[in-house]
Amino acid sequence: DGGITQSPKYLFRKEGQNVTLSCEQNLNHDAMYWYRQDPGQGLRLIYYSQIVNDFQKGDIAEGYSVSREKKESFPLTVTSAQKNPTAFYLCASSMGNRGPHFGDGTRLSIL
Amino acid sequence: SQQGEEDPQALSIQEGENATMNCSYKTSINNLQWYRQNSGRGLVHLILIRSNEREKHSGRLRVTLDTSKKSSSLLITASRAADTASYFCATEFNSGYSTLTFGKGTMLLVSP
Repeated sequence: DGGITQSPKYLFRKEGQNVTLSCEQNLNHDAMYWYRQDPGQGLRLIYYSQIVNDFQKGDIAEGYSVSREKKESFPLTVTSAQKNPTAFYLCASSMGNRGPHFGDGTRLSIL
Repeated sequence: SQQGEEDPQALSIQEGENATMNCSYKTSINNLQWYRQNSGRGLVHLILIRSNEREKHSGRLRVTLDTSKKSSSLLITASRAADTASYFCATEFNSGYSTLTFGKGTMLLVSP
């Protein structure tokens, strides 16, 4: 079945550590996105990529980094510069003018 | 920044009743979309309505758009317990989905 796979589902980070969240899609979508969701809030865009080897900052990119070396993969690294990383992270992909498909998210917590 | 704002923040109804959620936004848009999110899960796309459309239907869902009032509503008819979820509106005000802006959502609870 086609879809978006995010891993792990739960992730714990110590202060000062970088962590990488995985996002893989087999939908052959060109565009991929990372959003952050805080409790009781909507989604805020961190980074997006329209094609391989190209990506742009969203509204809250500080403290995050991404890469897009393959069409299927768009990993997000939460760096130690992100002072408040505890959140629910959602990856999405889209093709053309269709609504994006979302993964099931990764919940990141600070130990 | 431009953002859809849903109203109410939370809604509790009985099975069989209709649920209406509203979304207001600030500037001109290309389209408005509604999403559903079950607890701890990703978002599921429900329906997209373009700026030149006034109403769309999909099964038990009915979406209206009033661009003069910059508002949209989502009606779920004959609700079921399985409809319990959070519902978000998202606005696209430029070409490309990188410019989707989400509201804070309405949490719907449907009791059996």
